[in-house]
Amino acid sequence: GAVVSQHPSRVICKSGTSVKIECRSLDFQATTMFWYRQFPKQSLMLMATSNEGSKATYEQGVEKDKFLINHASLTLSTLTVTSAHPEDSSFYICSASFAGGFENTIYFGEGSWLTVV
Amino acid sequence: QKEVEQDPGPLSVPEGAIVSLNCTYSNSAFQYFMWYRQYSRKGPELLMYTYSSGNKEDGRFTAQVDKSSKYISLFIRDSQPSDSATYLCAMKGMGRRALTFGSGTRLQVQP
Repeated sequence: GAVVSQHPSRVICKSGTSVKIECRSLDFQATTMFWYRQFPKQSLMLMATSNEGSKATYEQGVEKDKFLINHASLTLSTLTVTSAHPEDSSFYICSASFAGGFENTIYFGEGSWLTVV
Repeated sequence: QKEVEQDPGPLSVPEGAIVSLNCTYSNSAFQYFMWYRQYSRKGPELLMYTYSSGNKEDGRFTAQVDKSSKYISLFIRDSQPSDSATYLCAMKGMGRRALTFGSGTRLQVQP
């Protein structure tokens, strides 16, 4: 089946630094990728929708300048948390859908744990 | 009011029990309904999907959608300790690829 890979799975960074998380679709071309955020014992909250070759669409309340999303190719999207602070510590998950897939064909990555110290 | 409501649990059942997990929603535009299983510190894994109303069965899992009541269910038969996880319902409308998730129900199957 389709696989979506995220890297790194865990990252610890110092407050004020930036960290990049990669999301790759391994065996299909992902025209659309989504970035979610999940706090402990809470559900996934959509942060932004990323279409290949165009600017991401951010959900209300998500800071565009803080969470930079790039979808430069059909197999790679990146999320960069800029000037990270402890409150940005969370589980970040990407998902991907592909052109020609059925409406239900959305695959999730394994997630990336970010801890800001 | 949240678009999708789901009891967070935890729900604890003995091994072999039938488990019923449910979600209600308010957006009548939702057409696709999914159930995901999420183990601790892992990404969600798609279990079942259903389009519009009806039932769908896959092994020990049965998904039901009642659009008139805006209510969906996931039944797990002969539950196993390995089924212990958080179960998330998710749904979306036609033409929209992003999912709206419920808060998840934590299930514990006791051996």
